[in-house]
Amino acid sequence: DTGVSQDPRHKITKRGQNVTFRCDPISEHNRLYWYRQTLGQGPEFLTYFQNEAQLEKSRLLSDRFSAERPKGSFSTLEIQRTEQGDSAMYLCASGTSGGGDEQFFGPGTRLTVL
Amino acid sequence: GQNIDQPTEMTATEGAIVQINCTYQTSGFNGLFWYQQHAGEAPTFLSYNVLDGLEEKGRFSSFLSRSKGYSYLLLKELQMKDSASYLCAVSGSNYQLIWGAGTKLIIKP
Repeated sequence: DTGVSQDPRHKITKRGQNVTFRCDPISEHNRLYWYRQTLGQGPEFLTYFQNEAQLEKSRLLSDRFSAERPKGSFSTLEIQRTEQGDSAMYLCASGTSGGGDEQFFGPGTRLTVL
Repeated sequence: GQNIDQPTEMTATEGAIVQINCTYQTSGFNGLFWYQQHAGEAPTFLSYNVLDGLEEKGRFSSFLSRSKGYSYLLLKELQMKDSASYLCAVSGSNYQLIWGAGTKLIIKP
């Protein structure tokens, strides 16, 4: 399978715990995006990377959220001290830079914070 | 501010045609995307418009008018499997995608 993959697919955690999600993009794609989506809403932009550089981070993102893409390939998204409001689907997408930048989405990680 | 508007929900009959509208106000424009999302799954790409006019791809067509800040997705010969949410997204001045909340399409037999 040469598509975008995410791990884990589901995560249940208790409030206050830290969680980390991984995304493996399509290999030739230099851009990688993280989104959060709640029921009945479109994806909400969190951050994106071009190669290993994190170029933009949403102002809505608190200091508890951090993302890395150390070698310009896979990326991790960490949420520290999780809160119930963090419960959502976390989507990763990859693409190439340019105006017609179609984004290819992974299956998502569904996070439930108890 | 930046805004994408689309209807929350629409209902149509199997075999019929449905048009899902999207209006947008964004700082900069580098194209408009339509994605399909089935419940519990990730969005999948349907179409991309950057110039005015109609793009046809099988049963699906997408139209863009940049001067009106308007697009629509046209689905023909509806099938039950077309029941999904349809998301409109605009690539803005920094090439970031700004997403609408999606239109839930319900297909009835």
